[in-house]
Amino acid sequence: DTGVSQNPRHKITKRGQNVTFRCDPISEHNRLYWYRQTLGQGPEFLTYFQNEAQLEKSRLLSDRFSAERPKGSFSTLEIQRTEQGDSAMYLCASSLKPGETQYFGPGTRLLVL
Amino acid sequence: AQTVTQSQPEMSVQEAETVTLSCTYDTSESDYYLFWYKQPPSRQMILVIRQEAYKQQNATENRFSVNFQKAAKSFSLKISDSQLGDAAMYFCAYRGPLGGGYQKVTFGTGTKLQVIP
Repeated sequence: DTGVSQNPRHKITKRGQNVTFRCDPISEHNRLYWYRQTLGQGPEFLTYFQNEAQLEKSRLLSDRFSAERPKGSFSTLEIQRTEQGDSAMYLCASSLKPGETQYFGPGTRLLVL
Repeated sequence: AQTVTQSQPEMSVQEAETVTLSCTYDTSESDYYLFWYKQPPSRQMILVIRQEAYKQQNATENRFSVNFQKAAKSFSLKISDSQLGDAAMYFCAYRGPLGGGYQKVTFGTGTKLQVIP
């Protein structure tokens, strides 16, 4: 069990560029979650997958954001036309079953210049 | 909507002493889950302790214990024999009942704990 991994750990981009983050959950965890954490705040829920199905999306997830989990294993989060307000830590978490604890990855810190 | 409130932005404790972090939440559900997560500086978030609302007994994990007051919607964390490694941001978090489509976890704004040698 290697834990949840996220890549890259840091990303600096210019406003208007597209960025993509990857999350690899703990093996056999079929539930995967994305959160966003801004400085000094707790994480805020973005979206949730059960296997490859995206079952829940927050209103925080504007149409510039898209998340996929094509084979029910790793997931990607893409932000198109980045804005300075997108600067944050993007956290991924996974769990085995409903009600099980969500285990978090180290996050990807995004800075939009 | 569920909300989680942590009214102590920062706390400090002397090494080996005991500290209590406060958390209140708001929900209309009777069955739910509460968590305390720890986030050390520049490191990933890890689970400290978990409480199921249907359990009356307070959860305990080694030096960490909770005081769960369901009627008051209060969920405080007590850290005994504080160690330097306990210094971190602590987040209180809420998750709704199973089967209700409540998969997301709602976090408070965190309490930064400083441990003084």
